[in-house]
Parts: sequence; C-alpha cells; structure tokens
Amino acid sequence: DIQMTQSPSTLSASVGDRVIITCRASQSISSWLAWYQQKPGKAPKLLIYKASTLESGVPSRFSGSGFGTEFTLTISGLQPDDLATYYCQQYERIPGTFGQGTKVEIK
Amino acid sequence: EVQLVQSGAEVKKPGESLKISCKGSGYTFTIYWVAWVRQMPGKGLEWMGIIYPDDSETIYSPSFQGRVTISADKSISTAYLQWSSLQVSDTAIYYCATAGATANDAFDVWGQGTMVSVSS
Repeated sequence: DIQMTQSPSTLSASVGDRVIITCRASQSISSWLAWYQQKPGKAPKLLIYKASTLESGVPSRFSGSGFGTEFTLTISGLQPDDLATYYCQQYERIPGTFGQGTKVEIK
Repeated sequence: EVQLVQSGAEVKKPGESLKISCKGSGYTFTIYWVAWVRQMPGKGLEWMGIIYPDDSETIYSPSFQGRVTISADKSISTAYLQWSSLQVSDTAIYYCATAGATANDAFDVWGQGTMVSVSS
C-alpha cells in the first residue's frame, strides 16, 4: 500500500490566519490526491481533487497544490467554520489510502 | 440531489452477523463505484473496498479481504457491507461513498455513516 503522511497532526491558528497542511506520499502518485474536511460528528466532505481542483461549492479560501510525492492544502484566511480534521487521500493505487489527519483548532 | 442514505446504528454481540446498507438516489446508481470506509473511535479513515453496482465487480483492501463482504442490489440502488462473525474490534463508524466511473477516484458524495457497536 502507498503510505500517506500528514503534518502537522494538530495545529492551532487564529481567525484570518493562513494555514498550510502538508501531505507526503511514500511513492509518486502524480496528481491523484484528494483533500477532505471532517467536522466533529459528521461525514467527511470532499474539498479538492486531482491535487488542485476545487470541488463545486467549496469556498475559494481553500486551495491545493503539489505533484508526485509532496502536496499542500492551504486555507487563506481561516474562519471559525473551518474547525475540523483534514485528511488527504491518494487514489493512484488501490487501496486509496488516507493520511492520518490534521486537526485544525481555532485560537 | 445526489444522496447516499445509510441504515441505522447497530448494537451487536461478538460472533453475531450483520449487514448494513447504503441507498443511492438522485443519480444513476449502476454506473458509479461505491466504496466503504471505516473510522474506528477517535481514529482516521480506512479504505475497505469498492463495488461497481452494474455487475457487482468488487475490489477489497488486503486489510479487509476475507473479513467483510461487499455486495449490491442494483434493482433497489443499494450497496451492502456485511460480517459473518463480528468482533469487538469491528466497533466503528462505517461510511459509504461514491467514487467516479473508475475505482481509482476521489469520493465526492458520502453517506451519513452507520455506527456499529460490538460488545459482550
């Protein structure tokens, strides 16, 4: 299986801050990477696919970048509603493994 | 509106069998793969397996092969996840989610989750 490693595991930031989450794959996955947001007690929600394509309806403060083995999710202007755990997932190979998650807290 | 609606929470004893369901609506159920994802208490997401409802082609993660069975009934737009003998370690929330027209795809629509509790 392809291993996905996210960092940091937890971060605390203030409203309006720029937040960056990193995801690293154990081998090249081209651009086959998705980002999900999971709010407490809710199902995950797709934010970004193909590394940088924003899912319809997702606010433009979310953006993704990267290729190969290194990827980032950026939240430009953190909002209180962004309190959640964020997961990356590779879908280049089956099984489509997830990162361990990054919990975003609001200061 | 595209929706996946899952069956309700279950409380079971070790050794019992269980089948949970995921009903799709608002789209052509047969032509998009449906996956199952496990989330153990306080933990992350795990890809379990995926099924193509039109012909029931199924692919399992090696970690779950032989431990669960994924099936689908396209006549009622429903996918299933079942266990023949539950273990305490099967306690988790199970999500279904739609992938695209290929098994290698992001999951764009998710069910609300089914909580399965296994305890003696």
